[in-house]
Amino acid sequence: DAGITQSPRHKVTETGTPVTLRCHQTENHRYMYWYRQDPGHGLRLIHYSYGVKDTDKGEVSDGYSVSRSKTEDFLLTLESATSSQTSVYFCAISETSGNKVEQYFGPGTRLTVT
Amino acid sequence: RKEVEQDPGPFNVPEGATVAFNCTYSNSASQSFFWYRQDCRKEPKLLMSVYSSGNEDGRFTAQLNRASQYISLLIRDSKLSDSATYLCVVNTPTGGSYIPTFGRGTSLIVHP
Repeated sequence: DAGITQSPRHKVTETGTPVTLRCHQTENHRYMYWYRQDPGHGLRLIHYSYGVKDTDKGEVSDGYSVSRSKTEDFLLTLESATSSQTSVYFCAISETSGNKVEQYFGPGTRLTVT
Repeated sequence: RKEVEQDPGPFNVPEGATVAFNCTYSNSASQSFFWYRQDCRKEPKLLMSVYSSGNEDGRFTAQLNRASQYISLLIRDSKLSDSATYLCVVNTPTGGSYIPTFGRGTSLIVHP
């Protein structure tokens, strides 16, 4: 299995509080991604990174920010959590080879915003 | 219209059955294609890539029709352990990178 960990694995927080989720990889892969998964919507891309300090927005980036100061770590921050951000968050990594992007996923973080 | 469309199912089949899932994509510039498997409350895992000429891995066969922008996955001799959600993934050019876009998944339930 690819060396990807996410922390925390579960979190309950209150509306309006800041939350940071961490993704850590040991594969030295260039690309890292944050997705959220909700019933009826499937996996939706929040942000992705193509290198240290290089990030870009995905389909559902509003309300989220990211940072990547080291190859191995990609942080997702909810500046002021809302109930609509209750979801399962998955981190993924890939090492692109041309247009062939095979992704490997972390175990996920279940976030509940009350 | 979502970029990658799948029939959500569920497909409820007996052990030993053959079942096929379909997936369509809207961006004709998409280049590479995959099927992932996701078990309940787990992360998605790569099942197989989909090649233009079609490819097989044991009981699983994937096919691509670029003209119709259509991908399929065939599972023969279904096992109870095949019960899962199957996600179609299309790599779409976005700002100089290829970004994976996921379908919503098709649920498969294999019963005794």
